[in-house]
Amino acid sequence: GAVVSQHPSWVICKSGTSVKIECRSLDFQATTMFWYRQFPKQSLMLMATSNEGSKATYEQGVEKDKFLINHASLTLSTLTVTSAHPEDSSFYICSARVGPNYGYTFGSGTRLTVV
Amino acid sequence: DQQVKQNSPSLSVQEGRISILNCDYTNSMFDYFLWYKKYPAEGPTFLISISSIKDKNEDGRFTVFLNKSAKHLSLHIVPSQPGDSAVYFCAASARAGGTSYGKLTFGQGTILTVHP
Repeated sequence: GAVVSQHPSWVICKSGTSVKIECRSLDFQATTMFWYRQFPKQSLMLMATSNEGSKATYEQGVEKDKFLINHASLTLSTLTVTSAHPEDSSFYICSARVGPNYGYTFGSGTRLTVV
Repeated sequence: DQQVKQNSPSLSVQEGRISILNCDYTNSMFDYFLWYKKYPAEGPTFLISISSIKDKNEDGRFTVFLNKSAKHLSLHIVPSQPGDSAVYFCAASARAGGTSYGKLTFGQGTILTVHP
């Protein structure tokens, strides 16, 4: 089946530094990828939708300059958390559409801890 | 504005019995619904889905029921197994642009524990 590979699975960084999270679609082309964030014991909240070759669409309240999304190819989308702060610590998950019938597959997630 | 709600944060069931997880939605534009299973520190895994033209979809031990008039769906797992213990999320989507498909809106999740 369609697989999305997400790396790293966990990362610890210092405040003020930037962290890049990658999601790669294996065996299929992902024209659209979604980036979610999950706080402990809460729902997955959509942060942004990225389309290959165009600018990402951010959800209300998500700072586009802080969460940079790049979707330069059909198999790779990246999320960069810039100037990270402890409140950015969270679980980030990407998702890709895999077919015309609402197929979605998720990456394994990235646990970001900012100290 | 929580458009998809799972009002039960947790559910405990005995092995072999039925697990019923509920989900309510408010957006009448939603026309596709999905259930995902999630373990801690992992991404969600797709379980089963249903489109608004149906009221029931079955896949092995998993059945999803949709009541459009009540804006309610439920996931039935029977028989429940200890390995089913996880967090279950319902998600909904509305078609965007007619032929394309939109983003997923998730409920808060329900922690299912199946006791041996």
